[in-house]
Amino acid sequence: DIVMTQSPDSLAVSLGERATINCKSNQSLLYSSNNKNYLAWYQQKPRQPPRLLVYWASTRESGVPDRFSGSGSGTDFTLTISSLQAEDVAVYYCQQYYTTLTFGGGTRVEI
Amino acid sequence: EVQLVESGGDLAQPGGSLRLSCVASGFIFSTHAMNWVRQAPGKGLEWVSTISGTGSSTYYAESVKGRFTISRENSENTLYLQMNSLSAEDTAVYYCAKDRGYQLPSFFDSWGQGTLVTVSS
Repeated sequence: DIVMTQSPDSLAVSLGERATINCKSNQSLLYSSNNKNYLAWYQQKPRQPPRLLVYWASTRESGVPDRFSGSGSGTDFTLTISSLQAEDVAVYYCQQYYTTLTFGGGTRVEI
Repeated sequence: EVQLVESGGDLAQPGGSLRLSCVASGFIFSTHAMNWVRQAPGKGLEWVSTISGTGSSTYYAESVKGRFTISRENSENTLYLQMNSLSAEDTAVYYCAKDRGYQLPSFFDSWGQGTLVTVSS
């Protein structure tokens, strides 16, 4: 199985500041035939189910604020929150769907 | 609006069985693969199983293969997970999740609120 490693485990960011979460896979998630990276990002707030934020590494899901953006290719990916809001306090997970589905361990974002 | 409502979570004995259900609404159920994803208390997310839109293809995590069976009844917009030979390691909140795709597992664009399975003597 592909192993997904997120860093850091947690980070504290001031309101209005940028938060950067990293996700690394131990093999490439880029499928050459369609040039797509099989990587999604989710947000999970306390006592709630996860919510899809980004798929294909950089496509924002409908309704997700544009302060959330995904980037990266191959084995290294980033989720950026450009200006942290109080409601962004959550745990964030990356997930690969290139092969047997696996998630990263999560990154807790606090203020 | 998509709604996914899980049920069936309970306290089970080690070696016992449970059957989870997920009733879906707000989308054409048969045109989407469906998934079960679990989360042990205080831990991260773990994909458990996927079933294609027709139900003809199923996929399982190694940790549950041979013990769990995913199925669906498209006429009733319902997803199931039959869980046998349960162990303490299966204790988790089990989420039903709608796949963006139809055939192969991909990513999940809607989630239910989850149902808690506790395995303990």
